[in-house]
Amino acid sequence: SAVISQKPSRDICQRGTSLTIQCQVDSQVTMMFWYRQQPGQSLTLIATANQGSEATYESGFVIDKFPISRPNLTFSTLTVSNMSPEDSSIYLCSVSGRGRHGYTFGSGTRLTVV
Amino acid sequence: GDSVTQMEGPVTLSEEAFLTINCTYTATGYPSLFWYVQYPGEGLQLLLKATKADDKGSNKGFEATYRKETTSFHLEKGSVQVSDSAVYFCALSEDAGGTSYGKLTFGQGTILTVHP
Repeated sequence: SAVISQKPSRDICQRGTSLTIQCQVDSQVTMMFWYRQQPGQSLTLIATANQGSEATYESGFVIDKFPISRPNLTFSTLTVSNMSPEDSSIYLCSVSGRGRHGYTFGSGTRLTVV
Repeated sequence: GDSVTQMEGPVTLSEEAFLTINCTYTATGYPSLFWYVQYPGEGLQLLLKATKADDKGSNKGFEATYRKETTSFHLEKGSVQVSDSAVYFCALSEDAGGTSYGKLTFGQGTILTVHP
């Protein structure tokens, strides 16, 4: 299965600022996914990022708030823009494949907005 | 749209007790079904999966059977250990075709605490 390196692992940010999260995959993958896990909650899909096309956002998430880049088949970034305390969550990237594991998740970015 | 419903927690058990965590789903097609586990302070790990009806996924003593007729994928373990204390997530994915699964839809998660 693929191995994902996600950075940063955690950060504390001031409200009104932006944070960019990076995910690097050790193999080429078609689909990458970005999820949010709010404190004590389940995972919610933010968007699906395919290389060479605009990301597809789920209901309740917009590109201005969560711009995503997917410049090639091994890398993607998610930016959390104009942050507020409500954005405090764990953000995870994921890739899918037909291997034994199906999906691989990054280790997550624990974001605290103060 | 697709959805996953898990039994509400938290679930508290004594060591060696039998565990069942119920999971039912709604999907338009024929999804693949997953159980993920999140240990305290750690990331998400795949526990087991099943890709078609009547398949049984199993790992670390945990089992779940894909029941199309009842749209369920209940997680069971015959004898839990303190080390099984974690949050368990049921999830489904519609087939995206080719070499990839589509996006995952997660249930709300069930917190399991096992006491000695």
